[in-house]
Amino acid sequence: QKEVEQDPGPLSVPEGAIVSLNCTYSNSAFQYFMWYRQYSRKGPELLMYTYSSGNKEDGRFTAQVDKSSKYISLFIRDSQPSDSATYLCAIPPTNTGNQFYFGTGTSLTVIP
Amino acid sequence: KAGVTQTPRYLIKTRGQQVTLSCSPISGHRSVSWYQQTPGQGLQFLFEYFSETQRNKGNFPGRFSGRQFSNSRSEMNVSTLELGDSALYLCASSLIPSGVEQYFGPGTRLTVT
Repeated sequence: QKEVEQDPGPLSVPEGAIVSLNCTYSNSAFQYFMWYRQYSRKGPELLMYTYSSGNKEDGRFTAQVDKSSKYISLFIRDSQPSDSATYLCAIPPTNTGNQFYFGTGTSLTVIP
Repeated sequence: KAGVTQTPRYLIKTRGQQVTLSCSPISGHRSVSWYQQTPGQGLQFLFEYFSETQRNKGNFPGRFSGRQFSNSRSEMNVSTLELGDSALYLCASSLIPSGVEQYFGPGTRLTVT
């Protein structure tokens, strides 16, 4: 079983739609949960991250963690064409010396 | 503050050759990690360096190696290139080893023919 698994998509939505991107993880010891956005031909950029359970909101983006089901989500409200990118969930190491684990990414296209 | 820079941005090599990629982290960041990104496998961890020491290594063959210099700049080397090594190679820097906030460079696109 992979440490983190991500719905592969691709997703195609009309402008203004609410988007839900999802990942599951395997290790209950994980505490931080990250979301990266990667535009075509660019490196991933850190979008936001949460610690433990609950929600975190940043503008149109909301990250949600449900530790009981080991499920993490990113919601995008009022999606814009500029949100078209690949979104990667990631889990940083629990201890120094371990590695980051990344989902395979979900490709999102927002159609004007 | 300048971001993570990687050179070169694009490379074309033939099988059997070797290649060296370079990464300069964000100023003040002393940890550098390297990743391979392919459409099928996603982002896979190669190794992490901090203070010129390799802290952690992913599951890649010994043909993949790296090093870090005293100014925190890092290089990775791939010897005896194979077709399957074609990928986007990304480096990321953070303040501390295994830091939560990790910032990526634009990557080096390597094509092996």
